[in-house]
Amino acid sequence: GQQLNQSPQSMFIQEGEDVSMNCTSSSIFNTWLWYKQDPGEGPVLLIALYKAGELTSNGRLTAQFGITRKDSFLNISASIPSDVGIYFCAGHNYGQNFVFGPGTRLSVLP
Amino acid sequence: DVKVTQSSRYLVKRTGEKVFLECVQDMDHENMFWYRQDPGLGLRLIYFSYDVKMKEKGDIPEGYSVSREKKERFSLILESASTNQTSMYLCASSRQGAESDTQYFGPGTRLTVL
Repeated sequence: GQQLNQSPQSMFIQEGEDVSMNCTSSSIFNTWLWYKQDPGEGPVLLIALYKAGELTSNGRLTAQFGITRKDSFLNISASIPSDVGIYFCAGHNYGQNFVFGPGTRLSVLP
Repeated sequence: DVKVTQSSRYLVKRTGEKVFLECVQDMDHENMFWYRQDPGLGLRLIYFSYDVKMKEKGDIPEGYSVSREKKERFSLILESASTNQTSMYLCASSRQGAESDTQYFGPGTRLTVL
């Protein structure tokens, strides 16, 4: 099946730094979702985006739905140790199955 | 809050055994899904269901079957477990219709087949 592209694949940052990651697709989507997965756990929904150009925040997290509808971005401000994990994006169109990215692995150094 | 629960967090089975993975959601969602997650391969859809007693094959249905006898419960069955089915299994649910755009996951079951 189709898969989204996420970059970077992994990143190591210092505590307190800001983080940016993105997700791209060759197809357009009507919905973009961002999840975080801790080791050994299921993905937890962070932010859902439903409109092209939309910018949505959830605490220190901000996500944007790209204007072309083929990409989305996630930013984390002032990272803390508990931000460690894998961040997944997902795209969805009504009546179709969800499509997931391979994830960005985030490590936060103290 | 949406809650999706899975019957086991960890399972160890032997090759050839029949394995049942249970998933229950408490938000009256119509849609339920089973994925497996493997390093480097991401999330892959095994089966999904849009209604009771209804099932559809996903991308990798071979070696699996499912059962949806009640709206809140979706079971994944491995008829004869094999070592290549060792994986993390994730159940998810979502609403149907205009609100189908958000999918919620359970905590996962890590299955090891020896």
